[in-house]
Amino acid sequence: DAGVIQSPRHEVTEMGQEVTLRCKPISGHNSLFWYRQTMMRGLELLIYFNNNVPIDDSGMPEDRFSAKMPNASFSTLKIQPSEPRDSAVYFCASSLNPGQLNYGYTFGSGTRLTVV
Amino acid sequence: KNEVEQSPQNLTAQEGEFITINCSYSVGISALHWLQQHPGGGIVSLFMLSSGKKKHGRLIATINIQEKHSSLHITASHPRDSAVYICAVRAGGSEKLVFGKGTKLTVNP
Repeated sequence: DAGVIQSPRHEVTEMGQEVTLRCKPISGHNSLFWYRQTMMRGLELLIYFNNNVPIDDSGMPEDRFSAKMPNASFSTLKIQPSEPRDSAVYFCASSLNPGQLNYGYTFGSGTRLTVV
Repeated sequence: KNEVEQSPQNLTAQEGEFITINCSYSVGISALHWLQQHPGGGIVSLFMLSSGKKKHGRLIATINIQEKHSSLHITASHPRDSAVYICAVRAGGSEKLVFGKGTKLTVNP
């Protein structure tokens, strides 16, 4: 398996533009997580899906952020309009969670977003 | 106060030294994870544990559920171990991870 695949690896955009980050989880994993990492706050959960359904989006900063998972093999995180304070590394992770069990997490390589 | 506290924040060691990184948490958990993040940025899951001890090569992770404390040990440290080590807990009944701020380890030759 190629692991969790994120694209793009780097994104530089101007303030006000729409940004879309993409993630392909490991095949067979039923949970998908979007995390944001900054120097000030470290790693924070933005949202997670279980079986393609959003379960907890309490970490989504505000209405400018939205995430979708239209099928088991693809998810997007969209920021519209983007602001300089959104500059961070965004990680996607997936895991296999049958019931209450958890078999660990696999992280993607991250997307480094810079909003100027 | 953060739910997950790591110490030390930064650690510098000489090659061959025994390393210990500590993690304390304040919530009930179903599992604790140790993650490694190299300067290139990728995150690798090292251990997931809910009790006792796990060993993988030169790495050992322990957890004491009663004391809400975990340690990550590295024996015979090597410069390639230089990375940020992150402790994360999965709160009971939830799928989400809560992260510590990380410990930056530098191992000098």
